[in-house]
Amino acid sequence: ETGVTQSPTHLIKTRGQQVTLRCSSQSGHNTVSWYQQALGQGPQFIFQYYREEENGRGNFPPRFSGLQFPNYSSELNVNALELDDSALYLCASSLIGATIYGYTFGSGTRLTVV
Amino acid sequence: DQQVKQNSPSLSVQEGRISILNCDYTNSMFDYFLWYKKYPAEGPTFLISISSIKDKNEDGRFTVFLNKSAKHLSLHIVPSQPGDSAVYFCAARVTVSGTYKYIFGTGTRLKVLA
Repeated sequence: ETGVTQSPTHLIKTRGQQVTLRCSSQSGHNTVSWYQQALGQGPQFIFQYYREEENGRGNFPPRFSGLQFPNYSSELNVNALELDDSALYLCASSLIGATIYGYTFGSGTRLTVV
Repeated sequence: DQQVKQNSPSLSVQEGRISILNCDYTNSMFDYFLWYKKYPAEGPTFLISISSIKDKNEDGRFTVFLNKSAKHLSLHIVPSQPGDSAVYFCAARVTVSGTYKYIFGTGTRLKVLA
């Protein structure tokens, strides 16, 4: 059973640039969620994808967008990067409705915006 | 608006003793609560969950207690082991517009002393 893998592990971007982060879900999972974890904070929900459609979103502006592919892998895209976007971005997969088993998280992508 | 609060940023416990991690919440619409453990450079790992209709759930050394009237839950680890040293996040689930959304606390860093 494979876990959740994210790429890249670290990334440095300049303010105003665009970035794409990638995630491969755990085998058998059909839902993928993205979280932003700023330093000293808990993970903040960005959005969730199920059946290739966004089916839940947190308080993040439209410049945060995503995709889910038929193989349940996913991308997080952030346009017009701001310094406050510097954070650890976590991808989590799950089976829809299987809350008692929780998410399986990846190790995250550390994004630094300079 | 921090709906899930972990007021103790850190906790130190002797090996073999009980660790008690606390979490308070404000939203009475939360229907599931989960605990995650996070080691450095890794994603959070699901530990245990509890439905809002229960007051206790146990899994090996880990027990979660829920006090709905006080809007408080706690995670007990007995006996504590050095390998339990990690950051622990409390999370709560709410349904928004038909989809699930998870709110995380800011975490408590547990250090188990040998």
